[in-house]
Amino acid sequence: GENVEQHPSTLSVQEGDSAVIKCTYSDSASNYFPWYKQELGKRPQLIIDIRSNVGEKKDQRIAVTLNKTAKHFSLHITETQPEDSAVYFCAASKANFGNEKLTFGTGTRLTIIP
Amino acid sequence: DTAVSQTPKYLVTQMGNDKSIKCEQNLGHDTMYWYKQDSKKFLKIMFSYNNKELIINETVPNRFSPKSPDKAHLNLHINSLELGDSAVYFCASSQGAGMGTEAFFGQGTRLTVV
Repeated sequence: GENVEQHPSTLSVQEGDSAVIKCTYSDSASNYFPWYKQELGKRPQLIIDIRSNVGEKKDQRIAVTLNKTAKHFSLHITETQPEDSAVYFCAASKANFGNEKLTFGTGTRLTIIP
Repeated sequence: DTAVSQTPKYLVTQMGNDKSIKCEQNLGHDTMYWYKQDSKKFLKIMFSYNNKELIINETVPNRFSPKSPDKAHLNLHINSLELGDSAVYFCASSQGAGMGTEAFFGQGTRLTVV
């Protein structure tokens, strides 16, 4: 089955600096890669996703890059703000009608230092 | 107007008891899931259902029995609770239309077995 590794497990950055979280996946058939943000005591919520036919996607301060050959994808957050502090999860799945299984990475606890 | 709602939010019970968690989604999605998040924040899929049919069962002990009376509901019943069952259980749903789509999570049920 799919295996997703995520690094680093914890990350502290100064407010205003950039943060980068990296993930690798094992199943070359995976074609959908979402990123979820989970604030303390809350539910995971999608912040950005990318499909395998795209190499990069950006949404304001957040961007995701995908390298299918190397089987890794990364989340980039620029101009970090205190509200970016949370646990971030990458995930991978094979989009398959009625049988989509998201395999999550182990999470990165991001702390923004004011 | 909650999209995915699960009850109860907190559940404290003794070892050996049987308990149920209910989940409902009003998004019209075809696929529903149960995820377990342990104390280290790992998010692991347990089950997925598509249109009331079990699709994924991730080697979960058979003390856990999901039930989907219709595609908007997916309940989780746990028999003979053990200390190691303590975790946060998240219900989620997605369109499951074979394109790789966002999973919407419920607010979670924190289960504590004492």
